Amino acid sequence: SAVISQKPSRDICQRGTSLTIQCQVDSQVTMMFWYRQQPGQSLTLIATANQGSEATYESGFVIDKFPISRPNLTFSTLTVSNMSPEDSSIYLCSVEGFPPGLAGGFWMDEQFFGPGTRLTVL
Amino acid sequence: GESVGLHLPTLSVQEGDNSIINCAYSNSASDYFIWYKQESGKGPQFIIDIRSNMDKRQGQRVTVLLNKTVKHLSLQIAATQPGDSAVYFCAENIAGNTPLVFGKGTRLSVIA
Repeated sequence: SAVISQKPSRDICQRGTSLTIQCQVDSQVTMMFWYRQQPGQSLTLIATANQGSEATYESGFVIDKFPISRPNLTFSTLTVSNMSPEDSSIYLCSVEGFPPGLAGGFWMDEQFFGPGTRLTVL
Repeated sequence: GESVGLHLPTLSVQEGDNSIINCAYSNSASDYFIWYKQESGKGPQFIIDIRSNMDKRQGQRVTVLLNKTVKHLSLQIAATQPGDSAVYFCAENIAGNTPLVFGKGTRLSVIA
């Protein structure tokens, strides 16, 4: 699998501010996703980060609140805007689709996750 | 680190015994399934996957069983070890039509 890193690993932020989370992969991938995991809960998909175009958001998530960038095949950012305590969660970057060679000559369907960013909003 | 799975169903197993974690999936059109393990303070870790053209797949100490008739997935862990303690999630999708939909998760607690 690829190595996926996220920055920051954790942060404590004030209400009304914004935080940008970075996700870096050590190889090119076709798909990148952003998930939210609230305390004690499962993972909920926020959006699919599309390279060179606007992200595709799931129901209940909007671009103004969670702007996403994906300038290339190895990097993406998620911004949590105008934060409130309800935004306190773990935010996870996920990737899928490794090029032939890394996967023995075929595209892999497995989806791998970064270590997450633990956000606390006061 | 921040805890996950605080309010999830818990399965307690004696060290050395076999564990069975169950998952009911939601979409009858799903044809690809993954089990993830999430330890406290970490992201989910891929364990094993299975496609709908199979009903069983084995890995190292783990076996996944798929029953499409009742939309049921299970993860069997042989000779459970303390390091297996974590929250386990099943996830489903229609392959090539991502993204994954995650189940609620089960906390596995191994008693030494």
